[in-house]
Amino acid sequence: QVHLEQWGAGLLKPSETLSLTCAVYGGSFSDHFWSWIRQSPGKGLEWIAEINHHGRTNYNPSLKSRVSISVDTFKNQFSLNVHSVTAADSAVYYCARSRLDLSYFDSWGQGNRVTVSS
Amino acid sequence: DIQLTQSPSTLSVSVGDRVTITCRASQSISKWLAWYQQKPGKAPQLLIYKTSTLGGGVPSRFSGSGSGTDFTLTISSLQPDDFATYYCHQYNTRSPRFGLGTKVEIK
Repeated sequence: QVHLEQWGAGLLKPSETLSLTCAVYGGSFSDHFWSWIRQSPGKGLEWIAEINHHGRTNYNPSLKSRVSISVDTFKNQFSLNVHSVTAADSAVYYCARSRLDLSYFDSWGQGNRVTVSS
Repeated sequence: DIQLTQSPSTLSVSVGDRVTITCRASQSISKWLAWYQQKPGKAPQLLIYKTSTLGGGVPSRFSGSGSGTDFTLTISSLQPDDFATYYCHQYNTRSPRFGLGTKVEIK
């Protein structure tokens, strides 16, 4: 049974960098893709990016210029950075697992609320 | 980008009712559609993938159908635990997208 536990700063100022990390417990880290998804009242659920244990990545084209995703296979963790944040980046951020790239999500983290405010 | 339109946005129903939620894609996504259930303050949970395949542990009162652009999530007999918001998700393209959700509330 897989468990995803995520953490990161919850309050940022405009232009700062949002950083979140997700640790994966149980299951096979190397057999899946690992994603970040965010949810806001204005835009609903929005997929941000994914990575596998080889470091192969896919990004949402609308966010790609400001986003980076990375993986630490020794710790079974993956991380998200969103640069130059604005109020529009305020959302609940989730990490999630999929069996294949660009596929459905069968396990989710608990979510982190991130607020961007001056 | 492929857009997903869910309807209705809100559904007021009673326990025992049959519930049908639709999701329409702006172009064909073949069978690459999933459904999730989300309760307040919680992460979405997978219900159905590849249009009609139930996720692990999902009760059989949930079912999915459709293909191409028109898809349906059906709850055969609504239970108290089913009051939640439901989202469809297309994963046919390099820009996966979610619908805006259908809130199922108590009548």
